[in-house]
Amino acid sequence: DGGITQSPKYLFRKEGQNVTLSCEQNLNHDAMYWYRQDPGQGLRLIYYSQIVNDFQKGDIAEGYSVSREKKESFPLTVTSAQKNPTAFYLCASSIRLEQLREQYFGPGTRLTVT
Amino acid sequence: AQSVTQLGSHVSVSEGALVLLRCNYSSSVPPYLFWYVQYPNQGLQLLLKYTTGATLVKGINGFEAEFKKSETSFHLTKPSAHMSDAAEYFCAVSVPYNQGGKLIFGQGTELSVKP
Repeated sequence: DGGITQSPKYLFRKEGQNVTLSCEQNLNHDAMYWYRQDPGQGLRLIYYSQIVNDFQKGDIAEGYSVSREKKESFPLTVTSAQKNPTAFYLCASSIRLEQLREQYFGPGTRLTVT
Repeated sequence: AQSVTQLGSHVSVSEGALVLLRCNYSSSVPPYLFWYVQYPNQGLQLLLKYTTGATLVKGINGFEAEFKKSETSFHLTKPSAHMSDAAEYFCAVSVPYNQGGKLIFGQGTELSVKP
């Protein structure tokens, strides 16, 4: 079955540690996205990528980094510079970065930093 | 610039009652609009989308939405609520490609269904 996988489902880290969240898709989509979700704030875009080896900052990129070395993979690193990293992180993909193309979402990773 | 406002962070209906979730948008160009549903601790699932053409859009699970340009609205409705409809619903508008091609989401509306 085609889809987006995110692992792990739950992740716990100590403050000051970097952590990498995995996102893999087998939909052959060109575009991939990372969102952060906090209660009552909807989804906020962290980074997005239109094509391999290229990515752009979203609205809240500070304290995060990404890579896009393969079409199917778009890992997100939450660095120690992120002031409030505890959140639910969602990865998404779409066929292309076009206005009318819907995005498909993974199941999410809940990160807790203490 | 594009933006979305969802009126009401929480809506409660009785099973069998009409569901109405409100969404208003702001867009400098003809908008493409989406409704997504999210069940607890899961990702988002597309309910329906409006791109061009018919202004009444039918989606999955009996939901539909009507695009009203004059009111800049895209409200989501379902004639009869079911317990399984309890979830959070997000309205979104897409940004033109030359502005990044991103989705801008509303704050979300949590729907509760009472037996």
